Amino acid sequence: DTEVTQTPKHLVMGMTNKKSLKCEQHMGHRAMYWYKQKAKKPPELMFVYSYEKLSINESVPSRFSPECPNSSLLNLHLHALQPEDSALYLCASSRHQTTGLAQPQHFGDGTRLSIL
Amino acid sequence: QKEVEQNSGPLSVPEGAIASLNCTYSDRGSQSFFWYRQYSGKSPELIMSIYSNGDKEDGRFTAQLNKASQYVSLLIRDSQPSDSATYLCAVGGQKLVFGQGTRLTINP
Repeated sequence: DTEVTQTPKHLVMGMTNKKSLKCEQHMGHRAMYWYKQKAKKPPELMFVYSYEKLSINESVPSRFSPECPNSSLLNLHLHALQPEDSALYLCASSRHQTTGLAQPQHFGDGTRLSIL
Repeated sequence: QKEVEQNSGPLSVPEGAIASLNCTYSDRGSQSFFWYRQYSGKSPELIMSIYSNGDKEDGRFTAQLNKASQYVSLLIRDSQPSDSATYLCAVGGQKLVFGQGTRLTINP
């Protein structure tokens, strides 16, 4: 069992639907991350939150909207997604975000998203 | 653009042998290096982190770092079929940069 919990594990949605992915950690970490991973590719960074503030947006389309309500929770709101957005969405956390020695990131089990 | 290069494999190793996974990186100022294991359909699992030149051992795993050569490797001793997975090298700073991953198969 991982210490980063993601829900739901699977999600199927139409292109006009609105849904949210949720991520929770109770390790006291202050940096949280969203990644997208396609089959046979490495995780691709989408967003980074540091101390509940958005610190990195990797030019992600606005149909993906992140939210960090508190230090333990991270949401990803989805709206009007495209079939090419089908992927495994991973949440990760680390003790903090730094430009020096990086702390290890711990991943949740992911949400497998399918867009019809 | 910071780059991390790995041989995509597949790398096939007999059970009980040593598996050697290699990674090179482009940013000479990088200070943090990680190895993740990812089983098919699962999420990445951290197995090693290394920050200083030299070797770091944890059970059957040894990470090796050579900053002068911009090279980091992972050795798996006494390889088991359960080690069959994709191994991702990641170089850290403000954000992680992942290599493409090496697919490792341990043959019984």
